[in-house]
Order: sequence, then C-alpha cells, then structure tokens
Amino acid sequence: GNSVTQMEGPVTLSEEAFLTINCTYTATGYPSLFWYVQYPGEGLQLLLKATKADDKGSNKGFEATYRKETTSFHLEKGSVQVSDSAVYFCALKGDSWGKLQFGAGTQVVVTP
Amino acid sequence: DTGVSQNPRHKITKRGQNVTFRCDPISEHNRLYWYRQTLGQGPEFLTYFQNEAQLEKSRLLSDRFSAERPKGSFSTLEIQRTEQGDSAMYLCASSPAFREATSGDEQFFGPGTRLTVL
Repeated sequence: GNSVTQMEGPVTLSEEAFLTINCTYTATGYPSLFWYVQYPGEGLQLLLKATKADDKGSNKGFEATYRKETTSFHLEKGSVQVSDSAVYFCALKGDSWGKLQFGAGTQVVVTP
Repeated sequence: DTGVSQNPRHKITKRGQNVTFRCDPISEHNRLYWYRQTLGQGPEFLTYFQNEAQLEKSRLLSDRFSAERPKGSFSTLEIQRTEQGDSAMYLCASSPAFREATSGDEQFFGPGTRLTVL
C-alpha cells in the first residue's frame, strides 16, 4: 500500500537558517504530493502541492520538488523565521477518492 | 467565517459511553473526509463522503463507529461504547467537486474535536 516517511523531529534551528525536511513515499501510479502545516493551536493548512513529476510547489518561501526517480518531496526554506515554528506533514493522494495519506509529522522549532 | 467547523472542540467521556461529533464543511464542497490523529502521528483516514454517499471506509473504522451525511451537508461521526484507545483528535476536511484522478484539489481541515476517554 501507499506510505509516506518523513524525518523525525524536533528540528531546532536559529532564525535565518536553512531548513530541509526530508519526505519519501511509496505509491503505485502517479500520486499527488502535499505539504501541510499545523501552527500551534491551529488546524492543518495546505502549504504547497505538486501533482506530477518534476513539478515544484512553492508558498511563503517554502519549496518542494516532486522527484519520481527518488520518490521524494523534500521541503526546503532558505531563511526561516520564528513564525515558521510548527509541525509539518508530508502527504500523498494516490486514488480518485482523494483521501490523503500523511507522514508522522516533523516539529520545527525556530529560535531567535 | 466560511471555513470547516467542528463541534464540540473537546469531549471528555467515560469508557463505554457513546459520543457524537459534528462537522460542517465549506458550503459548496461536496466531498467530506474524516481523519483521526493520535499524539505524535499524522492524521489517518477514516471515511469519505461524496454528497450524501459514504464511498469509502478505512479498516480503522470498526463497527462501533458510524458516520452519516444526511442531505450532503453536515456530517456526524458517532462512536459507540467508547474505549480508551479511541482517545484522539478527530479531524474533518472538505474539498470541492472531483475533477480528475490526479487532481491536486486542496482539502480544507477543521480545527478538530479532541476526544478523551477516561
């Protein structure tokens, strides 16, 4: 079956540091890939998405490229801010019904 | 506010009691999903509705769980004879009409209902 594996947290960074969160997936066919973010006390929000190989999703300075050859969708940001402190979830949608399969989440803590 | 809403936000119950949660999706969305999230894990799919039809149920959804979406609007999730293992955050999400199998249609999540079974 489909699965998503992402790096364990917490990841602790200083403000303006470079952030990478690794995400790899296993799926049949051609899934769509997503990064969702959960800020403290808030619900899940879509951060970015990519629907086919080599697509790059981007939003709020975050980027992720759909790499079919390595089955990866790593999240990157060049210069993090304290406000980026949150839990980040990688997810895939592999079938027509649209249900999402999530990774376990990676907590990111950015210190001033 | 036109986002997904869920009620109640928190529910504490004793083992063996029945509980019911409600989800109000974004009004023009015909797809509705329920997920369960336990501490330190990502959400896990429970069930999916397209309009009023329940089209898929996860193996996680035991016979103690039942979900409905009468008239294709709000949805309810009921858990009968709750167990301590049912303690989790129950999330509801909605999305617009299906377009294609690989569509990147966004799912909009509600704030969740946190269930604690004592």
